[in-house]
Amino acid sequence: DAGITQSPRYKITETGRQVTLMCHQTWSHSYMFWYRQDLGHGLRLIYYSAAADITDKGEVPDGYVVSRSKTENFPLTLESATRSQTSVYFCASSESSGTLYEQYFGPGTRLTVT
Amino acid sequence: AQKITQTQPGMFVQEKEAVTLDCTYDTSDQSYGLFWYKQPSSGEMIFLIYQGSYDEQNATEGRYSLNFQKARKSANLVISASQLGDSAMYFCAMREGFGTNAGKSTFGDGTTLTVKP
Repeated sequence: DAGITQSPRYKITETGRQVTLMCHQTWSHSYMFWYRQDLGHGLRLIYYSAAADITDKGEVPDGYVVSRSKTENFPLTLESATRSQTSVYFCASSESSGTLYEQYFGPGTRLTVT
Repeated sequence: AQKITQTQPGMFVQEKEAVTLDCTYDTSDQSYGLFWYKQPSSGEMIFLIYQGSYDEQNATEGRYSLNFQKARKSANLVISASQLGDSAMYFCAMREGFGTNAGKSTFGDGTTLTVKP
């Protein structure tokens, strides 16, 4: 499928477990982003990547790890999940860092940590 | 640091009327872009409209227009002729062009718009 996809769409896990959220885009966009959206709030940037093998921290990176070995994939790993990481996670991509380029969002992954 | 403020947690508008959603921003950068996204109850994020910091004219996209007042650092979204399908959460976002924040976006907390029939 063309576009940006996330998997799984829903995930329930227990405190302390490692969880990986997948993100795949078919546009060959250079920039990719991970956000979390807590209930009733806006999006907060976790990590972003300007290209394969280039990643940088966002506003709330603690407890998360990312990698980007291929342009099209940008997985997000919660090393040891905590209840405070219960949230909806959005992956996004953008053609460039230029200010006129909007971000294209995936459908989101709803993660619940029990 | 970049910051987006949306002061209206919730707004109501009568169908077919116009509504303005407020957004103010803070940045020290001269080059930046302002975006509005719509998030319906289904959860997806939909891009609506863009305004560049160097654009002299306000952006328009169909029923959406952006009232850009650079000196006041505001970028309000105006929706004309509201429809029931406009009921959603609306986010204002800013993307800086240079410096350590280049490429990153900051989002406001959103405004929930409800269109009444």
